[in-house]
Amino acid sequence: QVQLQESGPGLVKPSQTLSLTCTVSGGSINSGGYYWSWIRQHPGKGLECIGYIFYSGSTYYNPSLKSRVTISVDTSKKQFSLKLSSVTAADTAVYYCARGSGGFDIWGQGTMVTVSS
Amino acid sequence: EIVLTQSPGTLSLSPGERATLSCRASQSVSSSYLAWYQQKPGQAPRLLIYGASSRATGIPDRFSGSGSGTDFTLTISRLEPEDFAVYYCQQYGSSFTFGPGIKVDIK
Repeated sequence: QVQLQESGPGLVKPSQTLSLTCTVSGGSINSGGYYWSWIRQHPGKGLECIGYIFYSGSTYYNPSLKSRVTISVDTSKKQFSLKLSSVTAADTAVYYCARGSGGFDIWGQGTMVTVSS
Repeated sequence: EIVLTQSPGTLSLSPGERATLSCRASQSVSSSYLAWYQQKPGQAPRLLIYGASSRATGIPDRFSGSGSGTDFTLTISRLEPEDFAVYYCQQYGSSFTFGPGIKVDIK
């Protein structure tokens, strides 16, 4: 079955860019109707949708993060990626990638990213 | 933006009891695009219900969802030990927002 796996640095310095990649295995990233998403969870807090991308490349970004977020997809590698610029300590969180289709039905295990000098 | 409010914040129940979790939206959720998730410590959330009342693949039938418009409910008919967790509602009818979560703990 489809599985997702996040990868990327666990520590990012303030003002730098956070970059994460999600690799899709066990299925196609080109499947229509799915949106490939990034969601984060601040320590001990709730869930926040950062944005998503369709395999076609069309995107949606959370308005509160839109100016700093870029989500891209590489269908040949079966990967989609997140870039979050100008990070601060407030961006410290567990970052999840997820597949959306009537709710988020498949999630990666999550990766903790800490913003600190 | 649609704001979701969940109540109560914490629900203390015993195994075998019925749990009723509420999710209220600040405006109507179109086409009942409302989902429920379960999250245990150190794990990713797991989709339980989508479309307000459809169970996701592999979800036991003790979990059921209902509601429309602005008021939605997740019911766990008889709590099993593995059901003690945090539950989130999420709407996907107008962008995406999550509720703050309800912790179901053992009484």
